[in-house]
Amino acid sequence: DAKTTQPNSMESNEEEPVHLPCNHSTISGTDYIHWYRQLPSQGPEYVIHGLTSNVNNRMASLAIAEDRKSSTLILHRATLRDAAVYYCIRVNYGGSQGNLIFGKGTKLSVKP
Amino acid sequence: DAGVIQSPRHEVTEMGQEVTLRCKPISGHDYLFWYRQTMMRGLELLIYFNNNVPIDDSGMPEDRFSAKMPNASFSTLKIQPSEPRDSAVYFCASSFVGTHSAPNEKLFFGSGTQLSVL
Repeated sequence: DAKTTQPNSMESNEEEPVHLPCNHSTISGTDYIHWYRQLPSQGPEYVIHGLTSNVNNRMASLAIAEDRKSSTLILHRATLRDAAVYYCIRVNYGGSQGNLIFGKGTKLSVKP
Repeated sequence: DAGVIQSPRHEVTEMGQEVTLRCKPISGHDYLFWYRQTMMRGLELLIYFNNNVPIDDSGMPEDRFSAKMPNASFSTLKIQPSEPRDSAVYFCASSFVGTHSAPNEKLFFGSGTQLSVL
C-alpha cells in the first residue's frame, strides 16, 4: 500500500510550469514526503523531499500543504527530458528502513 | 562517480536455467537494495543489505531467489531455476546513512537488468 494518491497521467507543454499533485491524507507526523522520477529505461532518480516547509533544489520545488495531507511537485519550466513517471512516497526514517513503497506514480508527457 | 552499475543490461534465458544479476554499488555506500519492477506489481523491494549483511529479505518471492554481497563493492541476485513469471526489470540501489541516521533518505538506482524468461 503506497498510501499516496496521484493522477495516472498529466500533460504539459515544453517550457511551461508543471504542478504534479499528491494526496497523502493519512500521513503521520514523522513521515517525510519524497519524490522520485523514472525516465524511460532508467532506474528511479531522487528529486526532492520535505517534511513541513516548502523546499527548493536545482531540479524542482516541493510545496507541502499546511495540514500536510497533500503536496505538489513543481517543475518550473518543463523540458522534453522531464518526461517521466513521477512517484510521491511517504518515508518514515524510523520505520521499515529501506523499504520505499512506490505506487503507480504520474506519467508526465511533455509536448514540444 | 559512475553511479550504481548493473550487469547485464538485458538477459534472455529459458525456463529452468540459472540467472545471475550483478550490481556494483556506489563506493562508500553501506546499504544495498534489490528491487523488481513489473507492470502488474510496480516496484517492489526484494532484499536489502547493510555492510554486506542481509537485513530484510521478506520481499524475496521464494527459495528460487537468493542474494549475496561478498564485499562492499559487489552483490548478486540469483534465480535458480528461472520461470517465465520472473520476467521483470531488476534494479539495484545503494545509499548511505544520512542526516536522519536512516538509509532510505536518498537511494541511488542503477539502470536495471531487463530479464526475460522464455
